[in-house]
Amino acid sequence: EVQLLESGGGLVQPGGSLRLSCAASGFTFSTYGMAWVRQAPGKGLEWVSGISGSGGSSTYYADSVKGRFTISRDNSKNTLYLQMNSLRVEDMAVYYCAKEGPTRVADYWAQGTLVIVSS
Amino acid sequence: DIQMTQSPSSVSASVGDRVTITCRASQGISNWLAWYQQKPGKAPMLLIYAASSLQSGVPSRFSGSGSGTDFTLTISSLQPEDFATYYCQQANSFPITFGQGTRLEIK
Repeated sequence: EVQLLESGGGLVQPGGSLRLSCAASGFTFSTYGMAWVRQAPGKGLEWVSGISGSGGSSTYYADSVKGRFTISRDNSKNTLYLQMNSLRVEDMAVYYCAKEGPTRVADYWAQGTLVIVSS
Repeated sequence: DIQMTQSPSSVSASVGDRVTITCRASQGISNWLAWYQQKPGKAPMLLIYAASSLQSGVPSRFSGSGSGTDFTLTISSLQPEDFATYYCQQANSFPITFGQGTRLEIK
């Protein structure tokens, strides 16, 4: 059974940093692309970042986070990360980690972790 | 970036109704289109991928169609558990983008 367990959310001041983690199990983690998707309170879904699988190291970012967020993975630990720097109020959201299927869609999602950016 | 536009933004329907939601891409995306369902306080769930392929475990009353720029999600006979918000997503090119969502409410 595919399981994705996030951690690292919380309260941070504007300009601060936070690192989200997503521990994966139930599938061959290294083989699959992974992604982060966020949802601001009362708003729709926004794709944030993706990273390739199968030994690749390609990374992709939404324009809104490019240069501030860094996605990475540790295949030895079956864990996905999102390093978030220079956080802004508009980054406040529930962040979901997701496993990508063959057509780059998110076929499994974690439960979500809330990031609050406030002074 | 590819813009995804869903219509309607909200729809009211009754149990047993047939409902269709549309999604239009600002440029051609072949069949790189997915549909998700999200219930309040929960993570989204994949319903349809590659425009018309049903994700494993999803009831057959859900179906998708379309190619290029115009796509539809159809629920053939609404069940009580189907009242939720639905999102389309293009996976043709980065950045991946979602539609704004369609809220399906009970009439």
